[in-house]
Amino acid sequence: GAVVSQHPSRVICKSGTSVKIECRSLDFQATTMFWYRQFPKKSLMLMATSNEGSKATYEQGVEKDKFLINHASLTLSTLTVTSAHPEDSSFYICSARGVSLGLAGAYEQYFGPGTRLTVT
Amino acid sequence: DAKTTQPPSMDCAEGRAANLPCNHSTISGNEYVYWYRQIHSQGPQYIIHGLKNNETNEMASLIITEDRKSSTLILPHATLRDTAVYYCIVRPVNDYKLSFGAGTTVTVRA
Repeated sequence: GAVVSQHPSRVICKSGTSVKIECRSLDFQATTMFWYRQFPKKSLMLMATSNEGSKATYEQGVEKDKFLINHASLTLSTLTVTSAHPEDSSFYICSARGVSLGLAGAYEQYFGPGTRLTVT
Repeated sequence: DAKTTQPPSMDCAEGRAANLPCNHSTISGNEYVYWYRQIHSQGPQYIIHGLKNNETNEMASLIITEDRKSSTLILPHATLRDTAVYYCIVRPVNDYKLSFGAGTTVTVRA
């Protein structure tokens, strides 16, 4: 249980275009999803927190108009990188916090496999 | 503002126990200690967490000192697949956000 998927796993796009990344909780309902990004040889940096049906909360320094987050259902959140530039190239990772899993570790954050974005 | 301190790297032998230390001297009474690991180019994987008592699950054991200022993650029989970056994270009970530090790069050698 507690599987989180991301799609696509890697994407290459041209500078100026937008790209959407999907994050799905496959076997549980996620009231809260988190988006992180990770630059090479660096740690994960939290970008934003999204709660189902409400606006996302962005961390300081993260542009909300550039990184659009939608959490329309309890199993799906999307991150859209708008007008992408080469400096947006990074590894984007989502995580989901479950409502209840009935398992040890319930309510914990479970992470997706990540999406490698390359902007040319 | 790092809440935890971990050694940057450590090696351990396959089949032996791996003991990963973490210092969290400023931890407060309503903060958990969490451990995650990240295998190269994958998302982090939850390992274990604790508040005051030692914890054990199928993956690892977590030993928290009585004063809660430090903890040790124990992988009882390390395998090559345990090679990863291990993150020790302190998280308030009522805030689910995780703040990742640099972690410890653990290399298991045959």
